[in-house]
Parts: sequence; structure tokens; C-alpha cells
Amino acid sequence: EDQVTQSPEALRLQEGESSSLNCSYTVSGLRGLFWYRQDPGKGPEFLFTLYSAGEEKEKERLKATLTKKESFLHITAPKPEDSATYLCAVRGVSSGSARQLTFGSGTQLTVLP
Amino acid sequence: NAGVTQTPKFRVLKTGQSMTLLCAQDMNHEYMYWYRQDPGMGLRLIHYSVGEGTTAKGEVPDGYNVSRLKKQNFLLGLESAAPSQTSVYFCASSKLAGPVDTQYFGPGTRLTVL
Repeated sequence: EDQVTQSPEALRLQEGESSSLNCSYTVSGLRGLFWYRQDPGKGPEFLFTLYSAGEEKEKERLKATLTKKESFLHITAPKPEDSATYLCAVRGVSSGSARQLTFGSGTQLTVLP
Repeated sequence: NAGVTQTPKFRVLKTGQSMTLLCAQDMNHEYMYWYRQDPGMGLRLIHYSVGEGTTAKGEVPDGYNVSRLKKQNFLLGLESAAPSQTSVYFCASSKLAGPVDTQYFGPGTRLTVL
């Protein structure tokens, strides 16, 4: 059974204070690891897909990295508009035709001005 | 493109009532999904569809039914609502494109069952 654990559950940063969010996973044959951003009252918004260990992707102040057991979402010099819940999800070989994603419970990030 | 849309945005039901949630996508995606999101838990898959006229059960299918009569629409039904079905429901869709594809989500429906 695929599992995803995100830490911390909540994180408060001052504007400009860089930090990282963690996503630990166990999966039988990783097909992809996904990062989403979710604003209050909205649906998840796609950020990145990572496919193999060592891969990195960047978008503005965000950088996602992947190892064989975990992924990190690095936030450099965050701004208040980066405040949101960040969700991590994996798809493993066992998802089959469903292409089912297994989600973590998210990290709620608050960036204070 | 509107992407993935869901109606209604909010709904309050009494125990035992029925309702249907509608999801529509204009991206010509083959795959569609219904998830529920509860506090402290990750999104959980209820049902999914790999194409028009096909549906299958996900992780938490009990108490729900679905139909996909048209490629662009995916309906989620609750025949007899229970308080345990109070949740936020999200629809997602993805394109059949190789071994890995990205799911795009709708804005959600907040359902309260009294």
C-alpha cells in the first residue's frame, strides 16, 4: 500500500525566511511524485511532477527535489502570497489503470509580512 | 478554457436525502475522478472513470454511485446521505498520455449532511 507523510503539519515563516517542506513516501515502483498548492476554499493547483531520484524542478520561489524516499519543497525568500496548503501525492505501479494518486495530508504554510 | 468545473459549490442535506454532484471538463480528458477531502486526511479517491461509459471503484466507494454518459461529464450521486458524508468533494481529470499524467482539479463542492 502506497503511503505519504508530510511534515510539518503547519509552518509559519516571516517574509523572506527560506525553509523546506518534507514529503516522505513508500511506494511500490514510483511512477511520479506530484506537488500541488491549495488555497482556502479552492481546489488543488498543480505545481510539479518528479519522476526519478535526483530530479529537480523550479518555479519562481519554489524548488522541488526528489530522493528514493522523500521529496522536499524548498521555498526561497517567501512572500505572503505563498501562504497556502501544499499537498504531496504519489502514483505507484500498483495504481494500475486507475492511475490513482495517494495524497499526504498537507503542510499549511503561513508567510507573515 | 474553463478547465474543470463543479456544481453546486455548497449544499446542505438532511440525513436520507439524495443529491447529484456534477463535474464538467472542457480539456477533452479521458480520465475523470471524484475525491473527498476531510480535515487531517489526504484526498481519498471515491470513484473514477477511464472513458465515456466506464466507471470503477476507488478507495472509499461505499454510499456513492457515479455515471459518465458523456466524455466531458462525470456525475457523483448520493442515494441516501449520511452525516459521515459531510466533506468537501473534488473532481479531477487527466489526459491519457503515457505512463504518468497530471490530474487537474475543480474548485470543489462543500457538502454538509445534518
